[in-house]
Amino acid sequence: EIVMTQSPATLSVSPGERATLSCRASQSVSSSLAWYQQKPGQAPRLLIYGASTRATGIPARFSGSGSGTEFTLTISSLQSEDFAVYYCQQYKSWPPLTFGGGTKVEIK
Amino acid sequence: QVQLVESGGDVVQPGRSLRLSCATSGFTFTTYGVHWVRQAPGKGLEWVAGISYDGSEKYYADSVKGRFSISRDISKNTLYLQLDSLNSGDTALYYCARESGAHGSLPRFDHWGQGTLVTVSS
Repeated sequence: EIVMTQSPATLSVSPGERATLSCRASQSVSSSLAWYQQKPGQAPRLLIYGASTRATGIPARFSGSGSGTEFTLTISSLQSEDFAVYYCQQYKSWPPLTFGGGTKVEIK
Repeated sequence: QVQLVESGGDVVQPGRSLRLSCATSGFTFTTYGVHWVRQAPGKGLEWVAGISYDGSEKYYADSVKGRFSISRDISKNTLYLQLDSLNSGDTALYYCARESGAHGSLPRFDHWGQGTLVTVSS
């Protein structure tokens, strides 16, 4: 099973600032990596797939990078609606599909 | 538009069974794989089970293998999850989610339902 580790667990950022979230895989997942955003009381929303491709309707301030075992989600200028929990998920080697433990982006 | 609507969640005693449903619409059910993902209260996401677009393959997390069973009814465009021998560790919000690409492309999820809550408690 591929273990996904996200850091930090919590990120405190001021609106308008840049946020950088990390995701590490226990073995290479190539570019088979997705990012999701989840707000309280809502289902997750797909942001990024293929490590760097934005999903339909996702604003350009969200970008993904990385391959192999190290990945980054960057939010270039945080808006109020971006404060949420973010999860990475690998789909290179499954079952099982595996998610990271999440990074909560909170208002500083 | 694509919709997935879960139902069937309930409060059940340990050892009992439950069947969850996920009614889908807005897409061709037989061309997309669909999965169940759960989230325990205050915790992260855990993939539970999935079924391939043509129904020929079923996949399970080790934590539920032998206790849960995924199936579908293509005449009703509905996905099911049969949960047997439930324990407190199965308490969670259960989401159904559709793969983002048709015909067995890589399983990331572009559409999710709102979830149905399963509580296992005596």
